[in-house]
Amino acid sequence: AQSVTQLDSQVPVFEEAPVELRCNYSSSVSVYLFWYVQYPNQGLQLLLKYLSGSTLVKGINGFEAEFNKSQTSFHLRKPSVHISDTAEYFCAVSDMNTGFQKLVFGTGTRLLVSP
Amino acid sequence: DGGITQSPKYLFRKEGQNVTLSCEQNLNHDAMYWYRQDPGQGLRLIYYSQIVNDFQKGDIAEGYSVSREKKESFPLTVTSAQKNPTAFYLCASSMGTGKGAKNIQYFGAGTRLSVL
Repeated sequence: AQSVTQLDSQVPVFEEAPVELRCNYSSSVSVYLFWYVQYPNQGLQLLLKYLSGSTLVKGINGFEAEFNKSQTSFHLRKPSVHISDTAEYFCAVSDMNTGFQKLVFGTGTRLLVSP
Repeated sequence: DGGITQSPKYLFRKEGQNVTLSCEQNLNHDAMYWYRQDPGQGLRLIYYSQIVNDFQKGDIAEGYSVSREKKESFPLTVTSAQKNPTAFYLCASSMGTGKGAKNIQYFGAGTRLSVL
């Protein structure tokens, strides 16, 4: 079974500052990794994914994440945030080897960008 | 526009009442999913369906029921047996199941259910 830990429930940051949202996972098997963003009262939108290949993954809206297998981490980063990045961010994993893609989600990190 | 449509956006349930949440997709995806979102708990899987006329329980299926009579539709019924139904419900779909990029899940805008 997999589990995902997002240690920071809330991250306040000023506009144009860099940000890192942390995600650690636990799994006995190889996994796929995802970051989703949720704006207030909306569904989830895929930001980026790691399936294979390069461990540095670039996504939409200037976000990127790096898969670190030894540290079982998949931290999300953006060099300069905008007010519009204020949202909740979810890290998720799925077992690479099963025929059914069950997503296991972290509890989310709320990013608060202020002017 | 291709996508996943959930309706209604807001729904209120009276005590002892069953309510049904609609989820329709025009992406021609085989697999569909229902999640429940509670504050501070992330998303938890209620039911999923890999193909028409087949569905499986997820982690928190008690008090819920589903049907999959058509490929594009996967309605969720919250029954009176679900004692704490107040939550945000999200429907998702993916091209199929198995390995790889085709199984990335795409989400609808959600239905917020409250108890009167």
